[in-house]
Amino acid sequence: SAVISQKPSRDICQRGTSLTIQCQVDSQVTMMFWYRQQPGQSLTLIATANQGSEATYESGFVIDKFPISRPNLTFSTLTVSNMSPEDSSIYLCSVPAERGYTFGSGTRLTVV
Amino acid sequence: GEDVEQSLFLSVREGDSSVINCTYTDSSSTYLYWYKQEPGAGLQLLTYIFSNMDMKQDQRLTVLLNKKDKHLSLRIADTQTGDSAIYFCAEEDAGNMLTFGGGTRLMVKP
Repeated sequence: SAVISQKPSRDICQRGTSLTIQCQVDSQVTMMFWYRQQPGQSLTLIATANQGSEATYESGFVIDKFPISRPNLTFSTLTVSNMSPEDSSIYLCSVPAERGYTFGSGTRLTVV
Repeated sequence: GEDVEQSLFLSVREGDSSVINCTYTDSSSTYLYWYKQEPGAGLQLLTYIFSNMDMKQDQRLTVLLNKKDKHLSLRIADTQTGDSAIYFCAEEDAGNMLTFGGGTRLMVKP
């Protein structure tokens, strides 16, 4: 299965600022997924990122708040824009594996 | 949308068996997964089962699937303190999208 390097692993940010999270995969993958895990909650899919096209966002998530880049088949970024304390969550990227999906180690974001 | 439900919490003693249950609503599920999340870490795929199977065993892990009742369980034999974590079940639909349960926090007491 692919190995994902996700960074930063954690950050504490001021409200109103933006944070960009990166995921680097050690093999080429067509689809990458970005999830949010709010404190004590399950994972919610934010968007699906395909190389060469705009990301597809799930209901409740918009591009202005969570812009995504996918410049090639091994890399993607998710930006959390104009942050508020409600954005404090773990953000994870994921790619399809031989069976199932592989997840990055997550970015724990705290907005103060 | 589709729904996946799990109990929130399970506490067992070291050496006992743990059984974590999950129910789902999507009748078109293709695969069902169990993931483990340790504190501060991402999700680790533990095991999976194809929707036309009813049982899968992998070392200390046994997955049972009752497709008629849409009920999935994960049994961990000889539970160890290192098994303490949050366990998520997830179902994959025909469009390869995952829906996760809320997670079950397993606490193993020495």
